[in-house]
Order: sequence, then structure tokens, then C-alpha cells
Amino acid sequence: AQSVTQLDSQVPVFEEAPVELRCNYSSSVSVYLFWYVQYPNQGLQLLLKYLSGSTLVESINGFEAEFNKSQTSFHLRKPSVHISDTAEYFCAVSEVEAGTALIFGKGTTLSVSS
Amino acid sequence: DTGVSQNPRHKITKRGQNVTFRCDPISEHNRLYWYRQTLGQGPEFLTYFQNEAQLEKSRLLSDRFSAERPKGSFSTLEIQRTEQGDSAMYLCASTRRPSGSADTQYFGPGTRLTVL
Repeated sequence: AQSVTQLDSQVPVFEEAPVELRCNYSSSVSVYLFWYVQYPNQGLQLLLKYLSGSTLVESINGFEAEFNKSQTSFHLRKPSVHISDTAEYFCAVSEVEAGTALIFGKGTTLSVSS
Repeated sequence: DTGVSQNPRHKITKRGQNVTFRCDPISEHNRLYWYRQTLGQGPEFLTYFQNEAQLEKSRLLSDRFSAERPKGSFSTLEIQRTEQGDSAMYLCASTRRPSGSADTQYFGPGTRLTVL
């Protein structure tokens, strides 16, 4: 069975500061990795995903995440955050071979203030 | 694509009543998923359909819960004899291809259930 641990439930940062949201997973099989974002009063949206190939994946709004197989991590980073990045961020995995459901972490609330 | 829609957006009911939620996936999406999200937790998988076939059910889906997707388009999730522990956000998601786990799941806005 897979599990996902998001180490920080809340991350407060100032605008234009860098941020890292941590995600570790546990699985005995190969997995795909995802970050979803939920803005206030909106549904979950895919931010980025790692399927294969380059371990560094990027989103269109400046976020990036790096898959580290040896540390079973998929941390999300942004070098300079904006107020509009305030949201809840969920890390998720799904099993490559047979899985279909996403297994989510508990989420990290990113609060960006000026 | 108009996105995944869910109705109602909010439902308040008394313990013991039955409730039914509807999910309309993105047109031509083959797979439809139901998740439940409680306060302070990430979404938890309940069940999924490929077209009209229900292919997997989580252990979270007790016998009071039933889901259908009769014509492979919209889906309904019914909870019978609701309990206070059923209070949660119920999320629906859909994907285009039948091959599953690499595909992006597109989520609806959810139905928030409150059981008094």
C-alpha cells in the first residue's frame, strides 16, 4: 500500500520569498507523483506531475518539483511566491502498474502575505 | 470542456436520512472517480467507474453507500441512513483515457454534506 506524508501542515511566507513544500511517500512499487492545488472556494487542479524521464518537472506558474527516488521525496519549490499562490497544496501518488486511484497527503496550506 | 460539475454544492440533512449526489464528468471522459475529504485531510478514494462498470471500491465505502453510472455518463452517489461521521466534502473526478493512473484527474467543486 502507498502512503504520502506532507511534513508541514501550514507554511506562512512573505511575498517574493522562496518556498519549499515537502512531500515524502512510501510505496513498494513504482508510482507516479502529482501535486494538486486548491485555491480558496475552488476545486482541486493539477499543478504538475512526474511520470518518467527528467526528475525535475515544472509548472506554468513557476513551481517546480524534483523526484528523488532514493529519498522517496517529491518536494515542491518556488523561488519567489506571490500573494495569489495562497492555497492548499496536496501531494499525491498513484501506482504505475495497476493503480488508478490517487493517494493524497493531508495537504499543506501556503499563506503568502505582503 | 465545461469541466466536472457536481450537484448540489451543499447538502444539510438530518441523521438517518438518505441523500444522493450527482456528478457530471467532462464529456467523453471514460473514467469517473469519487473521493471523500474531511476537515484537515486529503481526499480519500471511494470508488471509480470505467464507462458504466464500477471497477473498484474502497473499504471506506460501507454498505450504506452506493454509486452508479448507468449510461457511462453522469454518476450518482447515494448514502443511506446518514450518520454524523458522513459529514465531508464529496469530490468527483474524471479522466479521458481508460489506461488510468498516469492521466490527469479533473476534479469537480465538490458537494459538502453536513449531517446534523
